[in-house]
Amino acid sequence: GNSVTQMEGPVTLSEEAFLTINCTYTATGYPSLFWYVQYPGEGLQLLLKATKADDKGSNKGFEATYRKETTSFHLEKGSVQVSDSAVYFCALSDQNSGGYQKVTFGTGTKLQVIP
Amino acid sequence: EPEVTQTPSHQVTQMGQEVILRCVPISNHLYFYWYRQILGQKVEFLVSFYNNEISEKSEIFDDQFSVERPDGSNFTLKIRSTKLEDSAMYFCASTQTGQGAMPAFFGQGTRLTVV
Repeated sequence: GNSVTQMEGPVTLSEEAFLTINCTYTATGYPSLFWYVQYPGEGLQLLLKATKADDKGSNKGFEATYRKETTSFHLEKGSVQVSDSAVYFCALSDQNSGGYQKVTFGTGTKLQVIP
Repeated sequence: EPEVTQTPSHQVTQMGQEVILRCVPISNHLYFYWYRQILGQKVEFLVSFYNNEISEKSEIFDDQFSVERPDGSNFTLKIRSTKLEDSAMYFCASTQTGQGAMPAFFGQGTRLTVV
């Protein structure tokens, strides 16, 4: 079956530091890849996506590139802010044999940015 | 921007009681999902629903769980006899199509506490 592995947190960074959160996946088909973010007390928000190999998703200064050769989708940001403090989930979406989508999530990585 | 809405935001119930969690998916979406997140753990797939029937369910989704779309807008998750281990955040999601490339839009979640 499909699976997603993320680096464990928490990750603590100073403001303006460079962020990398590693994510690798295992999938039998050709999945789409996503990063979701969960701010404290809130639900899951789509941060960015990539639907095929070599696609780069980007949003709010965050980027991730779909690397099929390394089955990875690492999240990066050049300069984090305190407001980026949240839990980040790497996820893949695939269609099952019946043609229905299912999202498989990683365990989430908590990011804390300190001033 | 259209969004998925869930009610209530927090529900406390006694063990053995029935609970119904409610969701209003995005209006032109056709596929609906429930996921859950036990505190500190990963987000897990429960069930997908299309054309008024379950399309896939996980091993978590046993006979105590049921889903329904009682009218044109609501999508509900019922737990017949709650157990302590059902305590979790439950997320409803919807997608426009079943394609894996289509991102799932999640609600804010309902935090269920079974005492």
